[in-house]
Amino acid sequence: AQSVSQHNHHVILSEAASLELGCNYSYGGTVNLFWYVQYPGQHLQLLLKYFSGDPLVKGIKGFEAEFIKSKFSFNLRKPSVQWSDTAEYFCAATDSSYKLIFGSGTRLLVRP
Amino acid sequence: GAVVSQHPSWVICKSGTSVKIECRSLDFQATTMFWYRQFPKQSLMLMATSNEGSKATYEQGVEKDKFLINHASLTLSTLTVTSAHPEDSSFYICSASSAGGFTQYFGPGTRLTVL
Repeated sequence: AQSVSQHNHHVILSEAASLELGCNYSYGGTVNLFWYVQYPGQHLQLLLKYFSGDPLVKGIKGFEAEFIKSKFSFNLRKPSVQWSDTAEYFCAATDSSYKLIFGSGTRLLVRP
Repeated sequence: GAVVSQHPSWVICKSGTSVKIECRSLDFQATTMFWYRQFPKQSLMLMATSNEGSKATYEQGVEKDKFLINHASLTLSTLTVTSAHPEDSSFYICSASSAGGFTQYFGPGTRLTVL
């Protein structure tokens, strides 16, 4: 069955630290990958997406993600986090069915 | 661009009553709209997918007679929770995508509390 896994449920970092959140997917065939962010009290916002082409995808607010097909991974990275990055981050995937499957989410707390 | 709104943002109702939640795409035509449910500290679970003018497709385990979905126009979908019970209390989120688009844009969610 199709699935998306996020292994880090809670991450605590200090400002300026580097961030990497793991995401693995289980899909056969073509897959489209997304990272969404949910700031406290706000709705889900799209950070970045990968459909095809360059496996290194740059998104908003300095985030990037790398699609590694051999590892079925799509990890999210940011070289230097800020307090305002405190939020919950969701990895998600879809195939040609358009049905979006979410990972369990990672809560990031950035200490000032 | 790609703004999705939901109304109401929160609602409290008595057990046995019905509640309607609206989802609107404000600046694009939403060929497909999706309804999700999110339990506290959990991820989003897809409930159903609706295409404009067609019957909704429900995920396994979701009662279609309890969660009525109507997608009458390219900018509006509604979810009606019929005969609501306390176990239906949750956060309901809609999303929308345009024709042929894989990217979904999410609404702010509606918190339903059934007493």
